[in-house]
Amino acid sequence: AQSVAQPEDQVNVAEGNPLTVKCTYSVSGNPYLFWYVQYPNRGLQFLLKYITGDNLVKGSYGFEAEFNKSQTSFHLKKPSALVSDSALYFCAVRDLAGAGSYQLTFGKGTKLSVIP
Amino acid sequence: ETGVTQTPRHLVMGMTNKKSLKCEQHLGHNAMYWYKQSAKKPLELMFVYNFKEQTENNSVPSRFSPECPNSSHLFLHLHTLQPEDSALYLCASSQSRQGGNSPLHFGNGTRLTVT
Repeated sequence: AQSVAQPEDQVNVAEGNPLTVKCTYSVSGNPYLFWYVQYPNRGLQFLLKYITGDNLVKGSYGFEAEFNKSQTSFHLKKPSALVSDSALYFCAVRDLAGAGSYQLTFGKGTKLSVIP
Repeated sequence: ETGVTQTPRHLVMGMTNKKSLKCEQHLGHNAMYWYKQSAKKPLELMFVYNFKEQTENNSVPSRFSPECPNSSHLFLHLHTLQPEDSALYLCASSQSRQGGNSPLHFGNGTRLTVT
């Protein structure tokens, strides 16, 4: 079974400061990992994914995430936060050992608030 | 513009009504999904269609009935709903059979309120 945890319901950061949104996962095989962002009254938008290769993945809007296999983590980061980054962020995992299922498991989401 | 269009954006219905949610994708994808998003709960996968064939049904009550006439269109037919079914219903699509690494593309959702 696959699972993903986002330990923080809310993260507050000052504009211009670096931000980190945490995600840990559990899979039986190798993971595909994704980050999505949801703005108010909108659907989820894909930010970035880790499939294989370089542990540091770069995505949209200046976001990046680091895959750490030993810590089973995939934290989302940005060097300098913008007020417009305020949104709900979701981590998701797909277990490559899953028997033919393409189901993603999502975390509960972390609300990011960037304070001007 | 997300490439995945959902209508209506908002829907209020009584428990005895019958209504349908519509989703259309313009991305040439082969897989389509219905998700339910409730406050303070993880996204719940409801149904998956791959090349118009239903491949997953995550123990969804029969008062929700999906229909996928082709790879571009997906419907969710609703009848005899309960107030706890009030939620944001999200449609998504993806390219399938690419090793499972293709991201989902979501519509903006239908906000459903059951009175």
